[in-house]
Amino acid sequence: SAVISQKPSRDICQRGTSLTIQCQVDSQVTMMFWYRQQPGQSLTLIATANQGSEATYESGFVIDKFPISRPNLTFSTLTVSNMSPEDSSIYLCSVQSGKAFFGQGTRLTVV
Amino acid sequence: QKEVEQNSGPLSVPEGAIASLNCTYSDRGSQSFFWYRQYSGKSPELIMFIYSNGDKEDGRFTAQLNKASQYVSLLIRDSQPSDSATYLCAAENAGGTSYGKLTFGQGTILTVHP
Repeated sequence: SAVISQKPSRDICQRGTSLTIQCQVDSQVTMMFWYRQQPGQSLTLIATANQGSEATYESGFVIDKFPISRPNLTFSTLTVSNMSPEDSSIYLCSVQSGKAFFGQGTRLTVV
Repeated sequence: QKEVEQNSGPLSVPEGAIASLNCTYSDRGSQSFFWYRQYSGKSPELIMFIYSNGDKEDGRFTAQLNKASQYVSLLIRDSQPSDSATYLCAAENAGGTSYGKLTFGQGTILTVHP
């Protein structure tokens, strides 16, 4: 199984600011995914991070709000821009290596 | 719209009993199915996956898949208090641009009481 390191593990941010979350994998993977888990809810896919091309966003998520970088096959970042309290969630990085594995998540609180 | 539905919880079972968790999916193109366990404040942990119709056993866990009925289940035998968690069912349609993308159910909270 892939080992995924995600940071920060948690943060409290002021509304209107941005936070960049980093995801590092211990092996090269073609596809990385970013999910959001709102309080008391299940996971929802935000986007697929593709190496060498723009991320592919799911319905309801846009690049201006959640810009994603994928500079190489082991690393990706997700930025949550112009945050509001509604963005308070756990953000999870995931990779497909036969099966889907998750990083430990970033618990974001926007005040 | 692709949907994954899990039986409503919370589910409470006594220690040593069998816990049965159920899941249905709407996308007939779904090919792979996963069960994740999520402890409060932690990220999901993969505990079982199944691709073929029938049963798949791993220790105290048995996953069952019936593609004709679009039904997936997870049985936990000899339930322990440490099994108390939220269990998430997920489906993957590996075709085309959907490869690797998981659709999750809403989760079922399981409590195993001593």
